[in-house]
Amino acid sequence: GESVGLHLPTLSVQEGDNSIINCAYSNSASDYFIWYKQESGKGPQFIIDIRSNMDKRQGQRVTVLLNKTVKHLSLQIAATQPGDSAVYFCAGGYAGNNRKLIWGLGTSLAVNP
Amino acid sequence: EAGVAQSPRYKIIEKRQSVAFWCNPISGHATLYWYQQILGQGPKLLIQFQNNGVVDDSQLPKDRFSAERLKGVDSTLKIQPAKLEDSAVYLCASSLGLAGGPSTDTQYFGPGTRLTVL
Repeated sequence: GESVGLHLPTLSVQEGDNSIINCAYSNSASDYFIWYKQESGKGPQFIIDIRSNMDKRQGQRVTVLLNKTVKHLSLQIAATQPGDSAVYFCAGGYAGNNRKLIWGLGTSLAVNP
Repeated sequence: EAGVAQSPRYKIIEKRQSVAFWCNPISGHATLYWYQQILGQGPKLLIQFQNNGVVDDSQLPKDRFSAERLKGVDSTLKIQPAKLEDSAVYLCASSLGLAGGPSTDTQYFGPGTRLTVL
């Protein structure tokens, strides 16, 4: 079946370093990808999204890269801060699927002071 | 802009009891989603509404779970009777869901209801 998954369940970085969280997907029809951040006790919070006609999109301190050839995307966080500590989920969707998202398992990011 | 509202935030019940959760989406959002999130996992879609109609309920355990969105605005999710494995966070999300819009649109989540079944 289709899946969206993350390479690593946990990631630990030093404050001020850059973080890279990876995600792989299986459905080549996926045309939309989104990253969410979930802090403990809260619902997922939208970070950034990217459509399949793009290979890079930048936000504030975050960049998403999409490689459709190998069905891989990544979330890069620049100058990681303690407030970035959370679980990060990637999700993918495609036309004709009622806008339903297929979610990955999540990567827990821990930022060390 | 007000976000997605959910209540209650926490609920503890015994197995075989009933429970209901309430969600009020962002104003103007046509699509509403209920998700179940078990600790350490990603959200699992239970049901998706477009206005007051059900779009997808393929993963809703219909023998015990029910949901409605009668007026196309707020929604309730009910579990009757609850089982131990229903312990999870129940998330509500909404999106614009414009007719003829993009194949997907951004979903905004509420804080969730943490359910513990003893």
